[in-house]
Amino acid sequence: AQKVTQAQTEISVVEKEDVTLDCVYETRDTTYYLFWYKQPPSGELVFLIRRNSFDEQNEISGRYSWNFQKSTSSFNFTITASQVVDSAVYFCALNFGNEKLTFGTGTRLTIIP
Amino acid sequence: NAGVTQTPKFQVLKTGQSMTLQCAQDMNHEYMSWYRQDPGMGLRLIHYSVGAGITDQGEVPNGYNVSRSTTEDFPLRLLSAAPSQTSVYFCASRRQGSYNEQFFGPGTRLTVL
Repeated sequence: AQKVTQAQTEISVVEKEDVTLDCVYETRDTTYYLFWYKQPPSGELVFLIRRNSFDEQNEISGRYSWNFQKSTSSFNFTITASQVVDSAVYFCALNFGNEKLTFGTGTRLTIIP
Repeated sequence: NAGVTQTPKFQVLKTGQSMTLQCAQDMNHEYMSWYRQDPGMGLRLIHYSVGAGITDQGEVPNGYNVSRSTTEDFPLRLLSAAPSQTSVYFCASRRQGSYNEQFFGPGTRLTVL
């Protein structure tokens, strides 16, 4: 069975601080896909990034970066110089090709102005 | 493109009532799915479809029915509403292939009294 664990239920940081959201996954498959989604207070779900199991390169997009490490089964998400607009619930998700996307329970991030 | 649309946005039902949550997408995506979001539990897959005429169960299918007569539409039917079905429901679609990101609708907030 596949499982995604986001141990951090809630995180609060002061604006401009860096913050890392943890994601640990379990799967027996060698081919799988990892995703991060953002859910702002307005409620919609927004796709942020996708990573496949064969690509361990870290990704940077502006203030966002992702660290994928197969050795520790982790796919962590870092926001640099956080802003109030980053306040949201962030979900990590896993799909190993069986059409069923498994989500973690989410991390609620609050950026304090 | 309207993307993924859901109706209604809000609904209140009494226990035992039935209703249908509507979902439509205009991106010609083969794959569509329904999730429910409950506090502390992330998003859980209810049912999904890989194409017109093909549906399958997800993690929490009991009490729900689906059908897929067209590529565009994927309605979710609550047969006899129960308070445990109080939740926020999201419909999603994506292109075929587990590596593709999902596009989510705006959600339907359902309360069962």
